[in-house]
Amino acid sequence: SQTIHQWPATLVQPVGSPLSLECTVEGTSNPNLYWYRQAAGRGLQLLFYSVGIGQISSEVPQNLSASRPQDRQFILSSKKLLLSDSGFYLCAWSLRTGGVGDTGELFFGEGSRLTVL
Amino acid sequence: DQQVKQNSPSLSVQEGRISILNCDYTNSMFDYFLWYKKYPAEGPTFLISISSIKDKNEDGRFTVFLNKSAKHLSLHIVPSQPGDSAVYFCAASSWDGQNFVFGPGTRLSVLP
Repeated sequence: SQTIHQWPATLVQPVGSPLSLECTVEGTSNPNLYWYRQAAGRGLQLLFYSVGIGQISSEVPQNLSASRPQDRQFILSSKKLLLSDSGFYLCAWSLRTGGVGDTGELFFGEGSRLTVL
Repeated sequence: DQQVKQNSPSLSVQEGRISILNCDYTNSMFDYFLWYKKYPAEGPTFLISISSIKDKNEDGRFTVFLNKSAKHLSLHIVPSQPGDSAVYFCAASSWDGQNFVFGPGTRLSVLP
């Protein structure tokens, strides 16, 4: 079965410090990978998605970046955090086959809560 | 420009009654529509989905209706239970999953 893990679960960082959130998927190959953020009082905002190694699409201009060094690894980074980067970050994967029983579901990791002070 | 809209930020329903959550979308290229439930500090939980070739999908207490001509879908929860209190996100996706967009969410409160 497929599993997705992201870490760390909780992070408190000072303004201007770097960030690295990591996400790995097991039990599948060539997944679509996503980073979402939910800020307080707002919906889920797509930050980045990737359809393959080294292929990253950015949806929102910001001081964050993403990388996919391996097929099932997705990393969210920042060189210098801002206060506005605080939020709940979610990694997710999907594998659209289009076959019978395919619900089109997006599978989420446990989430990482980032507080920038 | 929001591609997926949930115009009601909150909804309160009495226990045992029907909850109806609405969602509108603008991109006619979407092929899948999904509903997720989310508790604070947790990842969203998949509830139910519907493909663009259907107009209704039912799973237990949850039913999703899709009106493609109006670009509108709704989630019906019958009967509503206090444990259903959460934020519900509507999402839409292209067939290959490369364009997966969420609405802003509706906070449902089911009152005992």
